[in-house]
Amino acid sequence: AQSVTQLDSHVSVSEGTPVLLRCNYSSSYSPSLFWYVQHPNKGLQLLLKYTSAATLVKGINGFEAEFKKSETSFHLTKPSAHMSDAAEYFCVVSDPGSSNTGKLIFGQGTTLQVKP
Amino acid sequence: DTGVSQNPRHKITKRGQNVTFRCDPISEHNRLYWYRQTLGQGPEFLTYFQNEAQLEKSRLLSDRFSAERPKGSFSTLEIQRTEQGDSAMYLCASSRDRVNSPLHFGNGTRLTVT
Repeated sequence: AQSVTQLDSHVSVSEGTPVLLRCNYSSSYSPSLFWYVQHPNKGLQLLLKYTSAATLVKGINGFEAEFKKSETSFHLTKPSAHMSDAAEYFCVVSDPGSSNTGKLIFGQGTTLQVKP
Repeated sequence: DTGVSQNPRHKITKRGQNVTFRCDPISEHNRLYWYRQTLGQGPEFLTYFQNEAQLEKSRLLSDRFSAERPKGSFSTLEIQRTEQGDSAMYLCASSRDRVNSPLHFGNGTRLTVT
């Protein structure tokens, strides 16, 4: 069965410093992996997705993630945090199963705090 | 692309009452999903529709929960005899019928059962 583990429930950085949000996955298939962001009182927004093409994936707002099969990781990074990046971030794996429903399995989430 | 629309945004109800939520997906999306998110947790899958057919239901979806998508467009999620444990954010998402097509989420309906 597919699952994701987000290694930090809360990350705090200063504005202008790098961001690293860690995610490990477990999958018996070649996984499709995503990062979603959720701002307060807003819907979930797709940041980026990995679907077995390039292992380094670039997303919106300067975020990127690298798929490392040997480490079963899909960490999210950004070189320089902005105050507007403060939000909840979810690492997500798609569960193709035998029916390919596109169903997503979410991690527990990491709260990113950005200090001025 | 007007996005996924959910109504109402908030619902407060007394325990034992029935509630119904509506989701209007993006118009050309065949796939529709319902998720539930409790405080401090990631969203959990509830059910999935391909057009009007409900193809998968989570074990989380007790007999008190029912979802429909009668014409393959909007969907409703009904909870009968609500319990305090049903308090959560209920999220709807839609996507195209293509492998790895991203899900587009609505803003959710926040249910509070008193």
